[in-house]
Amino acid sequence: DAKTTQPNSMESNEEEPVHLPCNHSTISGTDYIHWYRQLPSQGPEYVIHGLTSNVNNRMASLAIAEDRKSSTLILHRATLRDAAVYYCILRVFYNQGGKLIFGQGTELSVKP
Amino acid sequence: NAGVTQTPKFQVLKTGQSMTLQCAQDMNHEYMSWYRQDPGMGLRLIHYSVGAGITDQGEVPNGYNVSRSTTEDFPLRLLSAAPSQTSVYFCASSWGGGGYNEQFFGPGTRLTVL
Repeated sequence: DAKTTQPNSMESNEEEPVHLPCNHSTISGTDYIHWYRQLPSQGPEYVIHGLTSNVNNRMASLAIAEDRKSSTLILHRATLRDAAVYYCILRVFYNQGGKLIFGQGTELSVKP
Repeated sequence: NAGVTQTPKFQVLKTGQSMTLQCAQDMNHEYMSWYRQDPGMGLRLIHYSVGAGITDQGEVPNGYNVSRSTTEDFPLRLLSAAPSQTSVYFCASSWGGGGYNEQFFGPGTRLTVL
């Protein structure tokens, strides 16, 4: 399975945009890029995913580099509730097991 | 929809005891899986199932058994608990295993083995 690399931690101010980077230089053409987040003492929560094109949903935006070797999760206006560990994960399209391989993630803290 | 539910929320076992962690989902998802999360670490896959009657091993299957007799339920059995199995256990489900599917996670079971 292809690996991802994320910074261990990031800080943001409330109501400012946050850009969370992820490197995945060994990504294959059939790997989807997923982002999950885990709030303290809770299970992981799906945020967004994409394959090649940039994606938007109500929670966030996902910007994917043209060569797909990196991506950025964008939270447009951080709130205190967005403080969590964010995981960037590659999911193989054709693997029926569809397992999620979690790395260490990025711990995002949001200052009021 | 209740989503993915897990019971119990907390459990304390003595070394050598056995127990079953329960997981159920009401979304008619084919794919279900169990993860464990140790302090300060990401989740690691224990076992998964792609449908009723079909299970397979993940990264860390030793000491755990699973079975899938219905679409809704996917229990995880600890055969003989060891302190190394102290962890938080999460169950997840999705429509399928393909890379385009999002996974839904339960709230977790905190297990302590003394």
